[in-house]
Order: sequence, then C-alpha cells, then structure tokens
Amino acid sequence: AQSVTQLGSHVSVSEGALVLLRCNYSSSVPPYLFWYVQYPNQGLQLLLKYTSAATLVKGINGFEAEFKKSETSFHLTKPSAHMSDAAEYFCAVTLHNKFYFGSGTKLNVKP
Amino acid sequence: DVKVTQSSRYLVKRTGEKVFLECVQDMDHENMFWYRQDPGLGLRLIYFSYDVKMKEKGDIPEGYSVSREKKERFSLILESASTNQTSMYLCASSSFSRGGGTDTQYFGPGTRLTVL
Repeated sequence: AQSVTQLGSHVSVSEGALVLLRCNYSSSVPPYLFWYVQYPNQGLQLLLKYTSAATLVKGINGFEAEFKKSETSFHLTKPSAHMSDAAEYFCAVTLHNKFYFGSGTKLNVKP
Repeated sequence: DVKVTQSSRYLVKRTGEKVFLECVQDMDHENMFWYRQDPGLGLRLIYFSYDVKMKEKGDIPEGYSVSREKKERFSLILESASTNQTSMYLCASSSFSRGGGTDTQYFGPGTRLTVL
C-alpha cells in the first residue's frame, strides 16, 4: 500500500525566509507526485506535479519541488516566503488512478 | 476554466437524517472522488467512480453510499447521519489515465457538514 509522510504538521517561517516542506513516499514503482495548497475554507488547488519528465518541477506562486528517487522524497521549496503563502499544503502520490494524500503541513508566515 | 461545484458550503443536520451531498464537474472527466478531511488525518477517500453507474469503495466507505447516474454528477449519501460524520467533505474529478497513473485531480470548494 502507498503511504505519504509529511514531516511537521506545522511550519513557521518569517516573511522573506526559505520555505521547506518535506514529503516522503513509499512506493515500489515510480509514482506520480503532486503538491496541493489549501487556503482556509477552500478546496485544494494544484501547486505542481511530477510525472517523470524532469526531477525539478516548477509550480505556481514561485514554488518548486525536486524528486529524489534515492531518498523517496519530493520536498517543496520556495526561496522567499510571502504572507499570502500561509495555507495548508498537501503532498500526494498517485498510482493506478488512486491518490494517496499526506496529512498536511500548515505553513505560518510571520511578518 | 475547470470547475467542480458542490451543492452546499455549509450544512447542519441532525443525527439519523439522510444527507445528500452533490458534486458537479464541467470538464467531462471520467473519474470522480469523494473525500473527507479531518484535522491531522489529511484527506481520506470514501468512494470513487471511474464511469457512469460505476463505483468503488475507498478507504472509509462505512456509513456512506454514492450515486453516479450522469457523467458530470457524483452524489455522496449519508444514509443515517451520525455525529462522527461531522467533517469537511471534498469532491474531486480527474480524467482517466491509461498509463496507470492519473491526471491532476481538481477539487470543489468543500462542504462543511455538522451533525448534531
């Protein structure tokens, strides 16, 4: 069975600082990988996805993620946090048309 | 622009009531999904459907049923609502991927259901 682990249910950074949200997956075959963002009282919005074309994936709002097969990781980064980045972020793995979501990381951005 | 809509943003029901949550997508997607979202647990799949009149159980189907009579509409039914079904319910849709992976899931805004 697939599993997705997001280290840290809450992450707090200062505005302008680096954002790093961690995601590890378990899979016996290379999966498709996604990062979604959820703003309060809204549904999930796709940030970026990895589909084996390139290991470094760029998404919306300045976010990017790097697929590292040897570490089974797909961490999300942004060089400089903005107040509007405060939200909950979900990593997801998909295999055979089913999605498996991590438990989410809430990002707080301090002024 | 892709769109997934859910019939209600907020819903309050009483224990034992039958509850219908409706989801409509306008992207001609084959796949539709119902999740519930609870703090610290992420998203858990309740049911999904790959085609009209087709349904498959997800990870937590107990206490729920679904209906897909038309391609664009996927309904979640709580036969007899209970307080432990108080949650945020999210609907999603995606196109079918023949490669064994899946295309992006697009989400509705969610329905926050409270069962008293």
